[in-house]
Amino acid sequence: DAGVTQSPTHLIKTRGQHVTLRCSPISGHKSVSWYQQVLGQGPQFIFQYYEKEERGRGNFPDRFSARQFPNYSSELNVNALLLGDSALYLCASSLWQGSGEKLFFGSGTQLSVL
Amino acid sequence: AQSVSQHNHHVILSEAASLELGCNYSYGGTVNLFWYVQYPGQHLQLLLKYFSGDPLVKGIKGFEAEFIKSKFSFNLRKPSVQWSDTAEYFCAVNPNSGNTPLVFGKGTRLSVIA
Repeated sequence: DAGVTQSPTHLIKTRGQHVTLRCSPISGHKSVSWYQQVLGQGPQFIFQYYEKEERGRGNFPDRFSARQFPNYSSELNVNALLLGDSALYLCASSLWQGSGEKLFFGSGTQLSVL
Repeated sequence: AQSVSQHNHHVILSEAASLELGCNYSYGGTVNLFWYVQYPGQHLQLLLKYFSGDPLVKGIKGFEAEFIKSKFSFNLRKPSVQWSDTAEYFCAVNPNSGNTPLVFGKGTRLSVIA
């Protein structure tokens, strides 16, 4: 079975641009979460979506937005990119929402903002 | 807000040495506890988890972790490490209620040398 897939794997943008990152969850998983991992830090929660609705949001500015589609895939959008947005963006899927759900992570999108 | 502290940034061990990685969290209520591992070039994957019951949890590849509630700790152990255990290890926690996201520690990089 295919795991969580993310695209693109690498991306280079300049300050002020916007970016869209994509995630396809494991088949049958209805929940998708996004995390930002800055070099030397652990992943930090950005969003969770379940059944196409936002179910949780981390401490990130409004420049960050996301959505989930009827097929449960998801997009993360970041507008007005800043140098500090350079990070590995991880998508994780799980069967359900809920605090005890096991997360399955993708390999991430490495975003570099110049 | 809850937080997770991993005491060691980088641990270097020889093969067959014993391993213990520290993890402490700050949250007064009931929690779910996780250890995730990221092997070089691979995605984050679950090593083990604790929800309730026996505080000594066994995971994959010979790893175990002990939940000590009084110390707010969930240390990861392995009696004898192998070169293939070289990876980044992340402790994570979320309250056992509602739909709360995982909070990760900063990670501990383990290097096992022959």
